[in-house]
Amino acid sequence: RKEVEQDPGPFNVPEGATVAFNCTYSNSASQSFFWYRQDCRKEPKLLMSVYSSGNEDGRFTAQLNRASQYISLLIRDSKLSDSATYLCEGGANNLFFGTGTRLTVIP
Amino acid sequence: NAGVMQNPRHLVRRRGQEARLRCSPMKGHSHVYWYRQLPEEGLKFMVYLQKENIIDESGMPKERFSAEFPKEGPSILRIQQVVRGDSAAYFCASSPTQTDTQYFGPGTRLTVL
Repeated sequence: RKEVEQDPGPFNVPEGATVAFNCTYSNSASQSFFWYRQDCRKEPKLLMSVYSSGNEDGRFTAQLNRASQYISLLIRDSKLSDSATYLCEGGANNLFFGTGTRLTVIP
Repeated sequence: NAGVMQNPRHLVRRRGQEARLRCSPMKGHSHVYWYRQLPEEGLKFMVYLQKENIIDESGMPKERFSAEFPKEGPSILRIQQVVRGDSAAYFCASSPTQTDTQYFGPGTRLTVL
């Protein structure tokens, strides 16, 4: 079983839609979680950290559900520029990446 | 504070040659990670190093691949006797601690002819 798993998608959503991605983790001792964004042929870049109480940054909301062992990323009012692959990362002593979820926002 | 630097950005090798990929972590970062990404696929962990030590190489092929992070100088990912299947983007990332966010370099795109 992988440490961190994501639905690879693709998610195709219209502009203005709300979309959510989940990422499950297997190690219940995991403490640190992050969401990254990767554009085509570019390196991943940190989008936001995930805090226990949940956190928001503009149109983006990250949440942690310890009981069910998953983190989520919610994007409101999707823009064309949100089209990218979104990677989650999490773990305890070592951090692991999911394989990424591809999002395409359609005009 | 310069970000993570990788060179070369593009590398072309013929089958059987050696490829050397270099990664200079961000200043103050002593943890370095190497990942491989095939076209249209996710990041695949290869190796995690701390200064002069390999901490986890569980993702590295047993043969032809090696990595080092010397006391001085960049981390090196070395691929001997390259084959076409080695063609991929190789990303390096660094972090200040084991559980901090990772900062990625721009990657080296290796093409094996």
